[in-house]
Amino acid sequence: SQTIHQWPATLVQPVGSPLSLECTVEGTSNPNLYWYRQAAGRGLQLLFYSVGIGQISSEVPQNLSASRPQDRQFILSSKKLLLSDSGFYLCAWSVGGREADEQFFGPGTRLTVL
Amino acid sequence: GQNIDQPTEMTATEGAIVQINCTYQTSGFNGLFWYQQHAGEAPTFLSYNVLDGLEEKGRFSSFLSRSKGYSYLLLKELQMKDSASYLCAVMDSNYQLIWGAGTKLIIKP
Repeated sequence: SQTIHQWPATLVQPVGSPLSLECTVEGTSNPNLYWYRQAAGRGLQLLFYSVGIGQISSEVPQNLSASRPQDRQFILSSKKLLLSDSGFYLCAWSVGGREADEQFFGPGTRLTVL
Repeated sequence: GQNIDQPTEMTATEGAIVQINCTYQTSGFNGLFWYQQHAGEAPTFLSYNVLDGLEEKGRFSSFLSRSKGYSYLLLKELQMKDSASYLCAVMDSNYQLIWGAGTKLIIKP
């Protein structure tokens, strides 16, 4: 069966510090991978998605970046965090090559920037 | 622009039935999803509709009318564990999910 891992679960960082969140998927190959951010009381905002190694599409211009160094690894980074980067970050995967498919979410990382 | 509307909060009684509505305006349509999200947790998939009509899955059913840009999620025999937020999401012409803000469902004994 497929599983998705995200870490850390919670993170408190000062403004201006760097960020690295990691997501890995097990039990499937060539998945589509997604990074979302959810602010309190708001819908999920798609940040990045990837259909393959090294292929990253950005949906929102911001100070965040994503990388996919391996097939089942997706990393969200920032060089300098802003207060507005606080939120609940969710990684998700869906079956590669099948576009209209449900997405499965990792447990999320709650980021607080102070 | 693209827009998904659903009520912010609803309250229902244990054992009763509740209907959560979702209306959408998107550029293209490749299906509508409902997810459940308990507080502090990740969303979990409930249902997918791409054709008009009702899809039933145990206590949960989801309905779609593409001509009206409308869907609802029907929860029967409510249990306390159904207290959660319910997210409506539409897949647009680019196969990207557009998400509503979610409906917080409160179940009272």
